[in-house]
Amino acid sequence: QKEVEQNSGPLSVPEGAIASLNCTYSDRGSQSFFWYRQYSGKSPELIMSIYSNGDKEDGRFTAQLNKASQYVSLLIRDSQPSDSATYLCAVTAEYGNKLVFGAGTILRVKS
Amino acid sequence: EADIYQTPRYLVIGTGKKITLECSQTMGHDKMYWYQQDPGMELHLIHYSYGVNSTEKGDLSSESTVSRIRTEHFPLTLESARPSHTSQYLCASSEGGPQGGDLEETQYFGPGTRLLVL
Repeated sequence: QKEVEQNSGPLSVPEGAIASLNCTYSDRGSQSFFWYRQYSGKSPELIMSIYSNGDKEDGRFTAQLNKASQYVSLLIRDSQPSDSATYLCAVTAEYGNKLVFGAGTILRVKS
Repeated sequence: EADIYQTPRYLVIGTGKKITLECSQTMGHDKMYWYQQDPGMELHLIHYSYGVNSTEKGDLSSESTVSRIRTEHFPLTLESARPSHTSQYLCASSEGGPQGGDLEETQYFGPGTRLLVL
């Protein structure tokens, strides 16, 4: 079992819809959780970080964390074609000294 | 916006050559990382550093070596490049807390170096 699991996709949504990206992790001791966006051929860029159970909103993005279920998600409202990218979930491991990345979910927003 | 730089951005080199990939950050971050990523595949941590004179191997075995003589500089060296080293190499840094602290600070990535070994 991988430490961080994501559905590889591609997840296709129409423009203006809500895209929902999911991630599960295996280390119950993980404390910090991150969502990165990576365009093809580019390096990852941070979208959001979340540390506490519940929701965290930033513009069109909402991160949701449920530590009991070991589950973190990212919602993208009013999806735009420019949101088409690979979304990487990252979780702390080994007492927070390293991040473990999931393989990423490919999102395609169709206009 | 993160100020982390990598050079060269692209490198095509023959087998057996020694190469050094440069990574510098101007944010004064203590922690720095090197990842390897093949196209469409996940990131793999190959080296990290908590500060000057501190280096550790990551989760993915790598024939590369790193050094951390200055806070802002974390170069990666391949003594003898092989076609199997062809990949994208990404450098990242974070402010970090004390070693063993509970919360990992956000990692900021450089633009990456695409390496092709013929």
